[in-house]
Amino acid sequence: EEQLVQSGGGLVQPGGSLRLSCAASGFNFHTYAMSWIRQAPGKGLEWVAGIRSSGEGASYTDSVKGRFTISRDNSKNTLFLRMNSLRGEDTALYFCAKDVAGRLRGGFDIWGQGTRVAVSS
Amino acid sequence: DIQMTQSPSSLSASVGDRVTITCQASQVINTHLNWYQQKPGKPPKLLIYDASNLEPGVPSRFSGSGSGTHFTFTISSLQPEDIATYYCQKSDNLPFTFGPGTTVDFK
Repeated sequence: EEQLVQSGGGLVQPGGSLRLSCAASGFNFHTYAMSWIRQAPGKGLEWVAGIRSSGEGASYTDSVKGRFTISRDNSKNTLFLRMNSLRGEDTALYFCAKDVAGRLRGGFDIWGQGTRVAVSS
Repeated sequence: DIQMTQSPSSLSASVGDRVTITCQASQVINTHLNWYQQKPGKPPKLLIYDASNLEPGVPSRFSGSGSGTHFTFTISSLQPEDIATYYCQKSDNLPFTFGPGTTVDFK
């Protein structure tokens, strides 16, 4: 079964840092691009960051550029999101998602269960 | 960046009703448009990709159409398990913007 299992997240003060992880199983992880997508409480979906299958070509939404870093370890079938300088507006449920192709194609067919990030003092 | 809008923002329907949701892009995106279903407390599920292609395993009562800037998502006969929020999402170029969502519930 194709599966993404997320870990990390939690409560952090403004300006703090967190790292999210997303462990893949049941498919050839190194073949597909991956993304992080978030959902603020009671709100819609926002694509945050994406990375090609090779680990190169990371892209970000404007509001997180310079603060968030997406990376992957294809030897461990794991995707990461390092979040620095966190702000209140980063509070959300964060999902990792598998793309349908090796490049950032933008069709997300497998999703993680979500992990909550709360930024508050 | 290209903006995505959906209408209506919510709708109420009965079992067996035909339900239609529209999605509009602020610029041409050809057929680079996907539709997702999200139930409370769950991650989204891909239903339709490239405007009109049904994802494997998705019931045939779901369908999509459109190209350019105007797209339509249809449930031909609403079932109880279809109560959810539906999102369109553009996939032509980065950023992969989602529409604001349409919540479907029972009348």
